[in-house]
Amino acid sequence: EVQLVESGGGLVQPGGSLRLSCAASGFTFSSYDMHWVRQATGKGLEWVSAIGTAGDTYYPGSVKGRFTISRENAKNSLYLQMNSLRAGDTAVYYCARGFPGRAFDYWGQGTLVTVSS
Amino acid sequence: DIQMTQSPSSVSASVGDRVTITCRASQGISSWLAWYQQKPGKAPKLLIYAASSLQSGVPSRFSGSGSGTDFTLTISSLQPEDFATYYCQQANSFPPWTFGQGTKVEIK
Repeated sequence: EVQLVESGGGLVQPGGSLRLSCAASGFTFSSYDMHWVRQATGKGLEWVSAIGTAGDTYYPGSVKGRFTISRENAKNSLYLQMNSLRAGDTAVYYCARGFPGRAFDYWGQGTLVTVSS
Repeated sequence: DIQMTQSPSSVSASVGDRVTITCRASQGISSWLAWYQQKPGKAPKLLIYAASSLQSGVPSRFSGSGSGTDFTLTISSLQPEDFATYYCQQANSFPPWTFGQGTKVEIK
């Protein structure tokens, strides 16, 4: 059974940093692209970052230069290092597996990040 | 970036109704469109990929159609467990992968 379990969320002050983790199981982690998607309370879904099987990384303009996605295949783990956090980064952060059909077929339960003083 | 626009933003329907949600892309995306269902407090669930392919385990009352810029998600006979918010997502031109704003299906 495919499982994705996020951790590392919490309350952080504006300008602070946080590192999210996603533990994967039930599939060959190294063979899949992985993504982070976030959702502010009551709002829609926003793609945040992606990492390919070769370690290539992608970001939208809203987080480029502040967020860094990485993976550790030996530990079946995905990470998101978030720096220079802003109030607008407050959201539930989901990790998701990239599907060959270019969708996201499995999602974790999410971890809440709150940026506030 | 490709913008995705869903309509309506919300729809009220009864159990057994046929419900149709549309999604329009700001430019052509071939058939690279996915649909997700999200219930309150839960992660999104993939329903449809490549515009019309049903994800494994998803009931056959869900179907998708369209190509280019205009797409449709249809629920043929609404069930109580289908009351949720539905999102479309384009996967033709990335990054970024972009989502529609969501359509909430509510009980009439």
